[in-house]
Amino acid sequence: DAGITQSPRHKVTETGTPVTLRCHQTENHRYMYWYRQDPGHGLRLIHYSYGVKDTDKGEVSDGYSVSRSKTEDFLLTLESATSSQTSVYFCAISDASGREEETQYFGPGTRLLVL
Amino acid sequence: EDQVTQSPEALRLQEGESSSLNCSYTVSGLRGLFWYRQDPGKGPEFLFTLYSAGEEKEKERLKATLTKKESFLHITAPKPEDSATYLCAVQAADSWGKLQFGAGTQVVVTP
Repeated sequence: DAGITQSPRHKVTETGTPVTLRCHQTENHRYMYWYRQDPGHGLRLIHYSYGVKDTDKGEVSDGYSVSRSKTEDFLLTLESATSSQTSVYFCAISDASGREEETQYFGPGTRLLVL
Repeated sequence: EDQVTQSPEALRLQEGESSSLNCSYTVSGLRGLFWYRQDPGKGPEFLFTLYSAGEEKEKERLKATLTKKESFLHITAPKPEDSATYLCAVQAADSWGKLQFGAGTQVVVTP
C-alpha cells in the first residue's frame, strides 16, 4: 500500500457524534487525498491537500473537514456524523515532481458505519 | 462536466477466455487516464497510466489502450487470480490532482 496506513480500519459510531479518521504516509509525498467509495458511485473525492496547511475541497466535501499539520499526516473529520456518511474511506498520496509522479496510490481504507 | 462510464458492470469469464473492459470518458482535455485493480476489502492498486491517444501499456496478462473517447483493458488468457474490480479514472488538464472515477467492472474468472 505504498507506505500508507489508515486508522482506524473499522469504526461504528452513532449519528451526531464527531469522528476523525487518520491517514499516515512514509513516502514524503506532497499531495494527499480523501475519497469515499459507495456502491454504484465509484470513488469520489472529498478533500485534498497540496502541502502542510494547504487544503481544498473535492466533489463531496459537505459535512467533512480536513487538517494537515505535518507532511505525513492528513486527518478527515466528520463534525457530526450522519447515516449518509456510512461508507468506505480511502486515503491516497501522490508526488508532484513529474508526470509519472502524479499517479495516486491508495491506502487500505477505513470502513465506517454510522448508526 | 467530466464523466467516466465503465462497461460492462460485471463480467464472468472462464479461465483462458480473453475479454475486454471498456472505459468511456468525457473530459475537457485529458491529462491522464488511470487503471486500477481493487480486491474485496482492499484499496485500489495502480496498474497503468495512459496520456495520449494511441498509447498502449502492458503488464502480464493485461493490456491497456487509449483513444480520444475511450480506453480498453484487455485481459488475455485470464487466470482466477485476475478476479477483481477494475477501476478507470480520468484527470482533466485543468483539474490537477482531481481524479474522476468510473463505477468499475467486477471481473470473476472461474477455473
